[in-house]
Amino acid sequence: DIQMTQSPSAMSASVGDRVTITCRASQGISNYLAWFQQKPGKVPKRLIYAASSLESGVPSRFSGSGSGTEFTLTISSLQPEDFATYYCLQHNSYPWTFGQGTKVEIK
Amino acid sequence: EVQLVQSGAEVKKPGESLKISCKGSGYSFTSYWIGWVRQMPGKGLEWMGIIYPGDSDTRYSPSFQGQVTISADKSISTVYLQWSGLKASDTAMYYCARRSGYDAFDMWGHGTMVTVSS
Repeated sequence: DIQMTQSPSAMSASVGDRVTITCRASQGISNYLAWFQQKPGKVPKRLIYAASSLESGVPSRFSGSGSGTEFTLTISSLQPEDFATYYCLQHNSYPWTFGQGTKVEIK
Repeated sequence: EVQLVQSGAEVKKPGESLKISCKGSGYSFTSYWIGWVRQMPGKGLEWMGIIYPGDSDTRYSPSFQGQVTISADKSISTVYLQWSGLKASDTAMYYCARRSGYDAFDMWGHGTMVTVSS
């Protein structure tokens, strides 16, 4: 199975900060990676697909990059509505695997 | 409207069986894989397995293989997740989600909360 190591597991940030979250795959997954945002009590929402493609309707402050084994989700200027938990998901091969999640909290 | 509608919350006792459902509408149901994701209280997302309703091709995570069964009834555009003997540790929110083409889940159901308690 492919392991996805996501870091950090939690972080505190202020509105306006640039935030970077990383996912590392235990083996190459090409660009078969997606990023999801989940707010408390809500359904996960896809932000990024194919490692760097922005989901329709998602603000442009979100971006994804990477290929192979290392991937990054960047929020260029954190907004109040961005405080949430973020997950990566590899779908290169079965079983698909999620990262452990990164909780972004208000500093 | 394209959507996945899941069955309602369940409260069961250990050892009981359960089948929850996920009904797709607004799109060609047999052409998209549907997966199941578990989220235990206060924990992260776990990929359980996925099925292609067109031919019922199914893949499981080793963590869930033998513990649950995923099935589909394409005549009513519905995918199921079932247990034959629930445990307290099965208490969780269960989401179904649609795979879009070669990409990951683009659309999610609202979730089904399963509570297993004596």
